[in-house]
Amino acid sequence: GAGVSQSPSNKVTEKGKDVELRCDPISGHTALYWYRQSLGQGLEFLIYFQGNSAPDKSGLPSDRFSAERTGGSVSTLTIQRTQQEDSAVYLCASSLSQGAGGELFFGEGSRLTVL
Amino acid sequence: GENVEQHPSTLSVQEGDSAVIKCTYSDSASNYFPWYKQELGKRPQLIIDIRSNVGEKKDQRIAVTLNKTAKHFSLHITETQPEDSAVYFCAASKGYSTLTFGKGTMLLVSP
Repeated sequence: GAGVSQSPSNKVTEKGKDVELRCDPISGHTALYWYRQSLGQGLEFLIYFQGNSAPDKSGLPSDRFSAERTGGSVSTLTIQRTQQEDSAVYLCASSLSQGAGGELFFGEGSRLTVL
Repeated sequence: GENVEQHPSTLSVQEGDSAVIKCTYSDSASNYFPWYKQELGKRPQLIIDIRSNVGEKKDQRIAVTLNKTAKHFSLHITETQPEDSAVYFCAASKGYSTLTFGKGTMLLVSP
């Protein structure tokens, strides 16, 4: 595809359930990022994958959050035992370059609502 | 780690006026400062960026200035138009680190 693709675009779940969010980066982009966007809180970094290197998980808010990137392409963000404070838009981005100076190309995001 | 503060959180201007959004950063080693624009319901997109070896960069009606000594950088939009209405995010990074974003500024341009 031409851009970063995320699914689902909207997800409503009940507190305590697990959810999986998917990201398809731009083909050839080695760097993949997950950010969380809550109202008035800007773009909060969650996790970063770069090629075959160990991911930078320093932004994950709790051990209920995890992410995988299979084959250096598609990534899945999993939230276990969801809480109401997990409600937010989860944005995925990919980049051709590693580190500073690489433009991030964002997906449309997955809006998660936890009831 | 890096901390980026952004002001103001909201900014209302009349069409044709100029708009200025300011950001400060904490890590003096940061060397890359992009600005992203997010229109309502859309994805953030890069509009301009600057590196620490440059003090100012301009692209048509938008410009960014950087003061490394004071650790702040600003986005300037001249001759604002209604289509400039959006949320603008500044960010900073260094080396191979990830971007740290500010909390965003909602710009509203009234006709």
